[in-house]
Amino acid sequence: NAGVTQTPKFQVLKTGQSMTLQCAQDMNHEYMSWYRQDPGMGLRLIHYSVGAGITDQGEVPNGYNVSRSTTEDFPLRLLSAAPSQTSVYFCASSALAGDTDTQYFGPGTRLTVL
Amino acid sequence: AQSVTQLGSHVSVSEGALVLLRCNYSSSVPPYLFWYVQYPNQGLQLLLKYTTGATLVKGINGFEAEFKKSETSFHLTKPSAHMSDAAEYFCAVSASGGSYIPTFGRGTSLIVHP
Repeated sequence: NAGVTQTPKFQVLKTGQSMTLQCAQDMNHEYMSWYRQDPGMGLRLIHYSVGAGITDQGEVPNGYNVSRSTTEDFPLRLLSAAPSQTSVYFCASSALAGDTDTQYFGPGTRLTVL
Repeated sequence: AQSVTQLGSHVSVSEGALVLLRCNYSSSVPPYLFWYVQYPNQGLQLLLKYTTGATLVKGINGFEAEFKKSETSFHLTKPSAHMSDAAEYFCAVSASGGSYIPTFGRGTSLIVHP
């Protein structure tokens, strides 16, 4: 049971480039989400999904796109990277039945935009 | 609507001293409350949670927290700090009834001096 996995661990982009951060979970969790973590700001929710084909915006969605074609995968796309998107990104998942309120986090992707 | 306030962005203690990390919440419905810990360069992991029942909750690594409804607080304590406790700690709240979108505090960095 790998839990929540994220790739890559580190990434450096130039302003205007696009990229996709990958997230996968093997716990059959319906709920998945993306957060960004910035110093002094805690965790801010970018987008979330309650199941395949269903996504919604969080607190800071601008500049990011998501899709959920399978239960396991929830990629985050940066369409045109900006220096303000330099951050550490975490993917999380949780069940919608049973242990409904515990979030399981991936190890994070550290992104730098020059 | 729900929110979390963590008092103190940094807390410094000596090894063997009491650890007290403060968390106050607001919620329009009975809350579920969580403490997560983030060790350097890792994702967050659940330390403990309160959903219903006993208001004193015990977690991993000797930590515990007490839900005090009258004070809207969920402070985290540990009787004796270890060097290995140095980490970032996040308090989080979600609405009871199976809500899956938590709101996180800004985090408190625990520094342990030898």
